[in-house]
Amino acid sequence: KNEVEQSPQNLTAQEGEFITINCSYSVGISALHWLQQHPGGGIVSLFMLSSGKKKHGRLIATINIQEKHSSLHITASHPRDSAVYICAVTDAGGSEKLVFGKGTKLTVNP
Amino acid sequence: DAGVIQSPRHEVTEMGQEVTLRCKPISGHNSLFWYRQTMMRGLELLIYFNNNVPIDDSGMPEDRFSAKMPNASFSTLKIQPSEPRDSAVYFCASTVSENSPLHFGNGTRLTVT
Repeated sequence: KNEVEQSPQNLTAQEGEFITINCSYSVGISALHWLQQHPGGGIVSLFMLSSGKKKHGRLIATINIQEKHSSLHITASHPRDSAVYICAVTDAGGSEKLVFGKGTKLTVNP
Repeated sequence: DAGVIQSPRHEVTEMGQEVTLRCKPISGHNSLFWYRQTMMRGLELLIYFNNNVPIDDSGMPEDRFSAKMPNASFSTLKIQPSEPRDSAVYFCASTVSENSPLHFGNGTRLTVT
């Protein structure tokens, strides 16, 4: 079974700072997901990637398959980015079952 | 597109009662997932369906939990009888196909007293 570890668990930043959240996993995967959970509880899928890098606005996600590691970067952070960011993976082999990390709680202060 | 629709948003019930949670996936999505989120354990997959067929129910905690998907536009998760330790937020999600982005519903917050 894949083990997904995220770091840090909690992160506080000042508005405008560059943010990095890390995710590592133990077994080969077919895809990695970054999710955002707002304080109100809703979950939004930010990225799904299996190689390389993806960018959407101020968000960038990278993955290194050899090192079994992914990072989520937020440039020019803003208080509205405050949320819990969750990394999840699907194992290689055809299952759609997601294994989740425990999440990183980000607070961006004005 | 209305997104994934879950009902009810909140459910408060007494121990021993039957609870039914409902989910309507996005039209055209072939896979549907039920997740549970607690403070202690985070998000966990309970069961998922592909083309209305249950594929993996290994996350269903015990026989008190059951899930059905009678057609492509509706699924239920039932707990009978409910227990206080079932208190959690239950999310439904759907996706077009394997390894496509997930679309989550707003969740049902269940409290069993």
